[in-house]
Amino acid sequence: QKEVEQDPGPLSVPEGAIVSLNCTYSNSAFQYFMWYRQYSRKGPELLMYTYSSGNKEDGRFTAQVDKSSKYISLFIRDSQPSDSATYLCAMSAGTNAGKSTFGDGTTLTVKP
Amino acid sequence: GAGVSQSPRYKVTKRGQDVALRCDPISGHVSLYWYRQALGQGPEFLTYFNYEAQQDKSGLPNDRFSAERPEGSISTLTIQRTEQRDSAMYRCASSQGLFNEQFFGPGTRLTVL
Repeated sequence: QKEVEQDPGPLSVPEGAIVSLNCTYSNSAFQYFMWYRQYSRKGPELLMYTYSSGNKEDGRFTAQVDKSSKYISLFIRDSQPSDSATYLCAMSAGTNAGKSTFGDGTTLTVKP
Repeated sequence: GAGVSQSPRYKVTKRGQDVALRCDPISGHVSLYWYRQALGQGPEFLTYFNYEAQQDKSGLPNDRFSAERPEGSISTLTIQRTEQRDSAMYRCASSQGLFNEQFFGPGTRLTVL
């Protein structure tokens, strides 16, 4: 079993919908949680970065971390066609922050 | 400013050959990371550096893989005696520090025939 599990989708939603993306993990040492967006044939780009449990909001994006359940989420409000991409969660331990463990990504399509 | 650059962008080699993949980080970034990404999967951690020091190489699959960053800037990932299973996208990233955002390069697509 992988340390980080992510539903691959694909997920298809109409424009304007609220999107929920999730990851579960098994390593209780993880303290830093990231969400990346990756467009086709491009490298990942960081969307959200959260330390420990709680919520963080940035524009249309909200990241949630529940360490007790080992579960993290990314919500996208008012989704746009330009949000169509693969979303990757990643996490690292406080004692080795340079080593990030990624999920395999969820492919999202937002239809106009 | 310039982002992370990697060269070559594409590399086709025959099984058994050695290959060297180069990463030029963003100027001033002290941390540099190597990942391997198979199609349809997330990046898989290989190794990372702080300045010239290799901090963690636990993700290198076996002793055919090595990486160096001798002057704390450019890094080279070397794969000796390549095998077909080494075929993948190899991505490099850099950051100002360990707790800062990682910026990814465009990757090197390695194909081993």
